[in-house]
This record gives sequence, C-alpha cells and structure tokens, in this order.
Amino acid sequence: NAGVTQTPKFQVLKTGQSMTLQCAQDMNHNSMYWYRQDPGMGLRLIYYSASEGTTDKGEVPNGYNVSRLNKREFSLRLESAAPSQTSVYFCASSASTGGPNTEAFFGQGTRLTVV
Amino acid sequence: TQLLEQSPQFLSIQEGENLTVYCNSSSVFSSLQWYRQEPGEGPVLLVTVVTGGEVKKLKRLTFQFGDARKDSSLHITAAQPGDTGLYLCGSGTYKYIFGTGTRLKVLA
Repeated sequence: NAGVTQTPKFQVLKTGQSMTLQCAQDMNHNSMYWYRQDPGMGLRLIYYSASEGTTDKGEVPNGYNVSRLNKREFSLRLESAAPSQTSVYFCASSASTGGPNTEAFFGQGTRLTVV
Repeated sequence: TQLLEQSPQFLSIQEGENLTVYCNSSSVFSSLQWYRQEPGEGPVLLVTVVTGGEVKKLKRLTFQFGDARKDSSLHITAAQPGDTGLYLCGSGTYKYIFGTGTRLKVLA
C-alpha cells in the first residue's frame, strides 16, 4: 500500500533555481494539499486542490505554483527559489467528505534547502 | 477563515505525569482530527471526533470534543517517553488546516 508518495526526499537548490516537487496518491481521494513545516512549527497550507481541475491558495502561497495533473497527482513548483523557502514540504490527500473520513494522509516529506 | 489555536506550545514533563493539550477554533468544526508527528516523519492520525460532547479513548489518551464543536482537548494519563512528539489538531472539509502544534517532551 503506497498511500501518498512524494519525490524527491531531499533537495538542495541555489537561490534563483527552480524545481518541481511531485506527489501522487493511490487512495482515490478527491482533495490534495501541499504544506510546509519550518523547524519546531506546525504545518502551514500552501495550496490545495479540492477536486481534479481546481486549485486554491492556502495560508502561504507566495512564491509557489501548483498543478493538479489528474486525480492522482498534485505537483508544487518553486519558480525562483529563495532561502526563506528552506523547509520540509509535505503532500497530503483526503477524501473530503466532512465526516469521519476527512482525515489527511501524508507523504514522507521533502527536505528542501535553498542556499 | 477558520483558525486553529493550540496550547500550550511546548510542554516538558516527567514520566508518569498527566497533561492536557487544547485546540480551539474561531468557528464550528465539521469534524476534527488529532495527529502525532515524530521527527523526520509525516503526521499520523490518532483519532477523529465528530459529535459535540464526544469522548474517545485510545489507551492512555482521552480525546474530548466540546459541546459546541469549537474546541477539543487531548489528555494523556501517566505520560511515557514514547509519547514524546508534536501533537497537531486538524480540520477542514476541502481546505484542511492544522493548529500551531504542541511539542511534548516526556523525560524518563
């Protein structure tokens, strides 16, 4: 059972470089999310996709773009990386029914360092 | 916009002590989840609460959902070093957000 798979697990970028973080889920979930987690902090929502074909900004969207490629895949792109984007990035998915099945399932995270 | 606030932010206690962590919202929850996150890992679900006034138990962990569904608490009885971690509450139907987290350290 793969669940939510993120790639890569680690990445070092130079300031100004671009990269795309990939995420795929095999649970047939409607909603997918990208979060960032800074040291000692909780999770902050960057972007989310409530269903295939839709994306919306979360709490901290500046400097990021997303693509919901299909129901399974949701990618996060950094067009011009900045040191402030050094963080651990988590992708998650949920069934989004509003009831007991609304829990979020997480990938293993991508540790990104921008130098 | 719904906000989730957790308290306390940090907690360091001795093995065997009891503790309570709180999660409060500016609006009504449809449902609420509690997670624990260990270093280097993603959060893992502990419990979901749905009904106002609901109480759920998971071994030494007791979860309560407020009658008005705007607050929740997590109580740990006789904490053990294995309980160390970051505790997060989360909620949302489509826009799923998390609380600020409570970092718990249980000393042997």
